[in-house]
Amino acid sequence: NAGVTQTPKFQVLKTGQSMTLQCAQDMNHNSMYWYRQDPGMGLRLIYYSASEGTTDKGEVPNGYNVSRLNKREFSLRLESAAPSQTSVYFCASSERGNDYGYTFGSGTRLTVV
Amino acid sequence: DAKTTQPPSMDCAEGRAANLPCNHSTISGNEYVYWYRQIHSQGPQYIIHGLKNNETNEMASLIITEDRKSSTLILPHATLRDTAVYYCIVRGHGGATNKLIFGTGTLLAVQP
Repeated sequence: NAGVTQTPKFQVLKTGQSMTLQCAQDMNHNSMYWYRQDPGMGLRLIYYSASEGTTDKGEVPNGYNVSRLNKREFSLRLESAAPSQTSVYFCASSERGNDYGYTFGSGTRLTVV
Repeated sequence: DAKTTQPPSMDCAEGRAANLPCNHSTISGNEYVYWYRQIHSQGPQYIIHGLKNNETNEMASLIITEDRKSSTLILPHATLRDTAVYYCIVRGHGGATNKLIFGTGTLLAVQP
């Protein structure tokens, strides 16, 4: 099925560990996004990539890095995980110029202990 | 991006129309109104968007006031599966730099 695939779906990290969240889309979209969602809150934008080869900071970029590996894939890296990064992470993609919505993945539930 | 104001929660009886309001009094002339919803634990889902004319699709209708300072999302025949958080978002049209910025939304509870 076409869409946005995120891996892993669940992850538990110890404070200070690093990990990379993977995201891939098969809709040939130009733009991709990483959001985080904390309990009872809306989504907050971490980083985005308007097109292959470009990345920009969103609202809450501190503690994260991203890589737009190719048009399909956009990864989010936590270099030294902190308990404050416990959250649900959503990846999304959109076709630049097409405003018929972002397509979101099903999320990665990350717990940092 | 203009800010939006939505009630934190609403109830609706199954089979009835659900009318979700949104205030966006600082919207600028080139900004669109978007609606997304998030069913528990899932990623948000696009519903509809509009500039100034009323819009309708298979999921919902969007009514935007003439002064564009408020809008209403209408689910004509709500079902239990429509229970979700509904987000009203205002943003410029097109391009990744016109990013979706989410607020806290309205939790719609459809009651049997």
